Amino acid sequence: QQPVQSPQAVILREGEDAVINCSSSKALYSVHWYRQKHGEAPVFLMILLKGGEQKGHDKISASFNEKKQQSSLYLTASQLSYSGTYFCGTGLTNAGNNRKLIWGLGTSLAVNP
Amino acid sequence: DGGITQSPKYLFRKEGQNVTLSCEQNLNHDAMYWYRQDPGQGLRLIYYSQIVNDFQKGDIAEGYSVSREKKESFPLTVTSAQKNPTAFYLCASSGISAYNEQFFGPGTRLTVL
Repeated sequence: QQPVQSPQAVILREGEDAVINCSSSKALYSVHWYRQKHGEAPVFLMILLKGGEQKGHDKISASFNEKKQQSSLYLTASQLSYSGTYFCGTGLTNAGNNRKLIWGLGTSLAVNP
Repeated sequence: DGGITQSPKYLFRKEGQNVTLSCEQNLNHDAMYWYRQDPGQGLRLIYYSQIVNDFQKGDIAEGYSVSREKKESFPLTVTSAQKNPTAFYLCASSGISAYNEQFFGPGTRLTVL
């Protein structure tokens, strides 16, 4: 039930691009993306909903393929500040009484000068 | 400023003692969550609450208890029944729409000696 994130880790040079994937075995209603730096709280990046709605930061883009139950996060022209662990959280339902997310194990991203 | 606070940031306890972690939010969010994070494990849901005086077990609720007597507060008690309580604990809150992201507190690192 836990979504699978790939790759587990990636190392970039500043300015390079990266794609992080999140794949579920269950039908999804929503996908959330967060970034966490070591010892800190996760910070919200994007929400993608079934049907095409999305919300997030201008410099971050993501896609949600409902049929394949997959989401991808696109990091372009990476900056040093992009370093951290990226988590996807998946929501299985739009039911108002169930907003819990199931989280992947994370993708560690390091951006070097 | 609106936000979510957790206290204390670091907590040390002797084995066999119960300990309560504080979580307070002034974002007027209906939903609140407790997560446990271990290295390489991602975020695992302990308990969540979508309304005052109601809460649901998450995936790893054994050895933990919560209360939700006020909308803004969701304390977590780690009991002596929790076999391996040393971990980083994160509290989060959100609105109840699928379009609402979760806001995380700074976390409490609990070490049981």
